[in-house]
Amino acid sequence: QVQLQESGPGLVKPSETLSLTCTVSGGSITYYYLTWIRQSPGKGLEWIGHIYYSGSTNYNPSLESRVTISVETSKNQFSLELSSLTAADTAVYYCARGDYGWSGRYYYNMDVWGKGTTVTVSS
Amino acid sequence: QSVLTQPPSVSAAPGQKVTISCSGSSSNIGNNYVSWYQQLPGTAPKLLMYENNKRPSGIPDRFSGSKSGTSATLGITGLQTGDEADYYCGTWDSSLSAVFGGGTKLTVL
Repeated sequence: QVQLQESGPGLVKPSETLSLTCTVSGGSITYYYLTWIRQSPGKGLEWIGHIYYSGSTNYNPSLESRVTISVETSKNQFSLELSSLTAADTAVYYCARGDYGWSGRYYYNMDVWGKGTTVTVSS
Repeated sequence: QSVLTQPPSVSAAPGQKVTISCSGSSSNIGNNYVSWYQQLPGTAPKLLMYENNKRPSGIPDRFSGSKSGTSATLGITGLQTGDEADYYCGTWDSSLSAVFGGGTKLTVL
């Protein structure tokens, strides 16, 4: 079955840029929206943004100025870059496969999730 | 502050029924489908319900979903201790982003 696995540094310094990669195995990323979500300690889920396999993106308006999501279909991978980090960006970062579209109304379901990777922003 | 509003916690005894509400607006729930996610302690969220009331394969029919206007509800019957988790609602918003509720912690007493 399809599996997603996040990878990247666990500790990043303030003001630096976080780079994470999600590798998809057991299936293709074609026709899916490849999504990043984060969860600060003890808090709820925050949608960061997604990229369609063809390259179009949508970002959370509150993070848009600092976020870039890219995709490398040949490697079945997609990546997250988050710049100008502060302690408030400390969180567990999840990648997920999104099913998004229109069927009379918009639907948006994240049906496969990675296990998450913990990122701490600290000097 | 989350765009969608959920109660912070709910509780009920084993075997009983519980409902979790999710309130939004015409910019999100009112005009789009709602999904629900279950996050067991220390694990990643899992899709529990999609398009308001459809269950992915493997989700028991003890779980149900509904939507009315700008609110949605998740129902769980025959509560089990294994249902103790955080539950999140989510949907698409007119801001061209996905939004979640703040999460509801279910305790099975």
